[in-house]
Amino acid sequence: AQKVTQAQTEISVVEKEDVTLDCVYETRDTTYYLFWYKQPPSGELVFLIRRNSFDEQNEISGRYSWNFQKSTSSFNFTITASQVVDSAVYFCALSDPYTGTASKLTFGTGTRLQVTL
Amino acid sequence: EAGVTQFPSHSVIEKGQTVTLRCDPISGHDNLYWYRRVMGKEIKFLLHFVKESKQDESGMPNNRFLAERTGGTYSTLKVQPAELEDSGVYFCASSQEGAITGATEAFFGQGTRLTVV
Repeated sequence: AQKVTQAQTEISVVEKEDVTLDCVYETRDTTYYLFWYKQPPSGELVFLIRRNSFDEQNEISGRYSWNFQKSTSSFNFTITASQVVDSAVYFCALSDPYTGTASKLTFGTGTRLQVTL
Repeated sequence: EAGVTQFPSHSVIEKGQTVTLRCDPISGHDNLYWYRRVMGKEIKFLLHFVKESKQDESGMPNNRFLAERTGGTYSTLKVQPAELEDSGVYFCASSQEGAITGATEAFFGQGTRLTVV
């Protein structure tokens, strides 16, 4: 069975601090996809990134960066120079691979990030 | 382009009543998913439509839940009769049929917060 663990329930930082959100996953599959979603106060889940299991290169997008390490089954998310607008709940998710193109996701419990002035 | 739209945004009903949630996916998206988040827990998969067909309904809690997607466009999720443990946020997501080798990301709606009292 697949499982995603986000051990940090809530994190509080002061603006401009860097913060890393942890994500550890379990799967028996060799092909899978990992995702991060952001849930701002408005409620919708906003897609941030998708990474497939064969691509272990780290990715940077502006102040966001992701560190995928297959050896430790982790897909951590770092926000550099955090801002108040980054305050949200962040979910890590793992796809349920089967032949086809669409994915059923297994989510973690989410990490609530609070960025204060 | 309109995103995934869900109605209503909030619903408060009494135990034993019936509630119907609606989801309008992004136009052209064949895949439609329902997920649910019970307070403080992970977001859990309920079911997956491909057009009007149920591809996977393994996450449906019990037979009090009925999902339909007539004509492969919008979908409804009916809970009848509602129980206290059905309270939570119900998310709908849609995705395109992607490339053979890749999974496409799912776009989520803002969710419907259901409270059963």
